[in-house]
Amino acid sequence: SQLAEENSWALSVHEGESVTVNCSYKTSITALQWYRQKSGKGPAQLILIRSNEREKRNGRLRATLDTSSQSSSLSITATRCEDTAVYFCATDPGNYKYVFGAGTRLKVIA
Amino acid sequence: EAAVTQSPRSKVAVTGGKVTLSCHQTNNHDYMYWYRQDTGHGLRLIHYSYVADSTEKGDIPDGYKASRPSQENFSLILELASLSQTAVYFCASRPGLGEDTQYFGPGTRLLVL
Repeated sequence: SQLAEENSWALSVHEGESVTVNCSYKTSITALQWYRQKSGKGPAQLILIRSNEREKRNGRLRATLDTSSQSSSLSITATRCEDTAVYFCATDPGNYKYVFGAGTRLKVIA
Repeated sequence: EAAVTQSPRSKVAVTGGKVTLSCHQTNNHDYMYWYRQDTGHGLRLIHYSYVADSTEKGDIPDGYKASRPSQENFSLILELASLSQTAVYFCASRPGLGEDTQYFGPGTRLLVL
């Protein structure tokens, strides 16, 4: 079983709408990262949130972390077509051996 | 912006052949990683290194070797390629302790026939 996983396989929204991607994990962590991977490219980190933080923002992106329920969310407001990508969460159990979820495929429709 | 490059970008190999994937980073990062990504799945850690001339096993090391001859270069070696090793391979680097951002290369698409 996966130690980190996003809770939706795929989502689609219309441009301008907001969307939330959720992630759950099964081990104790020191940090959780959200990545975006566009087609044919390597993943790019969006937000890193440490275990003692509850929320982190980066422009239109907002990540939350709930260590009691072992879950995280990534919200994107005012979505754009260029936000179309696969979004991954990755957890760090403290040994820098990151565990990635399978990803949520987001499509933003014009 | 950290720069990580990979070569080749794509490769077709025969079953039982030897394959070497190369990764180069220009930012003097301590940590380097090799991941594989299978269609529809997340990344899985194969090998990593935190210093030149030393490598560590990740979560799925079987069938793979790694080599880090210098700070900048990290190779992944498939001594006897198998069909199950068809995947996209990503290299990443990370500055060091306390710096958690990984910078990924563009990937190498490997097809084993």
